[in-house]
Amino acid sequence: NAGVTQTPKFQVLKTGQSMTLQCAQDMNHEYMSWYRQDPGMGLRLIHYSVGAGITDQGEVPNGYNVSRSTTEDFPLRLLSAAPSQTSVYFCASRPTGYNTEAFFGQGTRLTVV
Amino acid sequence: DQQVKQNSPSLSVQEGRISILNCDYTNSMFDYFLWYKKYPAEGPTFLISISSIKDKNEDGRFTVFLNKSAKHLSLHIVPSQPGDSAVYFCAASSGGYQKVTFGTGTKLQVIP
Repeated sequence: NAGVTQTPKFQVLKTGQSMTLQCAQDMNHEYMSWYRQDPGMGLRLIHYSVGAGITDQGEVPNGYNVSRSTTEDFPLRLLSAAPSQTSVYFCASRPTGYNTEAFFGQGTRLTVV
Repeated sequence: DQQVKQNSPSLSVQEGRISILNCDYTNSMFDYFLWYKKYPAEGPTFLISISSIKDKNEDGRFTVFLNKSAKHLSLHIVPSQPGDSAVYFCAASSGGYQKVTFGTGTKLQVIP
């Protein structure tokens, strides 16, 4: 059972480059989210989706774009990478229902130089 | 504005003793609280949760206590084991379907 799969695990970008972090889940969960983890800041919500075709902004959405064309996939796009986007990114999914817990991927460590 | 706060960045406890991790929140609309555990190079995994209609929830060695009037919750681990060494995140949500807000995490070290 794969759960939530994130690719790549590691990435180095130059300032100004763009890239897409991939996230896929095989649990048929409606809710998916992207978080970034920074030292002393915990996990901060970037964008989230409550179903295919529906996305919304979290706490720190600037510089990121998302789309949700299928239930399984929720890619995160960095439009023009900046050193401030150096972080560990986690994708999570939750099943439909009241107060369900999230399942996280293993993370993508991104460095922007 | 940090709505969920974990004021202790780290905690060291002897094996076999109790570990108490604390979490404070400011948003009175939060009605569901969760604890996640995270090992290095892995994603967080769900540990235990509590609804605001309860003041205690227990699962094996893990117990979460909720004090709504103080807007405070705590996670007790008894007895602590070396395998419990990890970063623990407190999280909160409101309305059941809403986004989840995480705290900054507490790194627990259990010393053998």
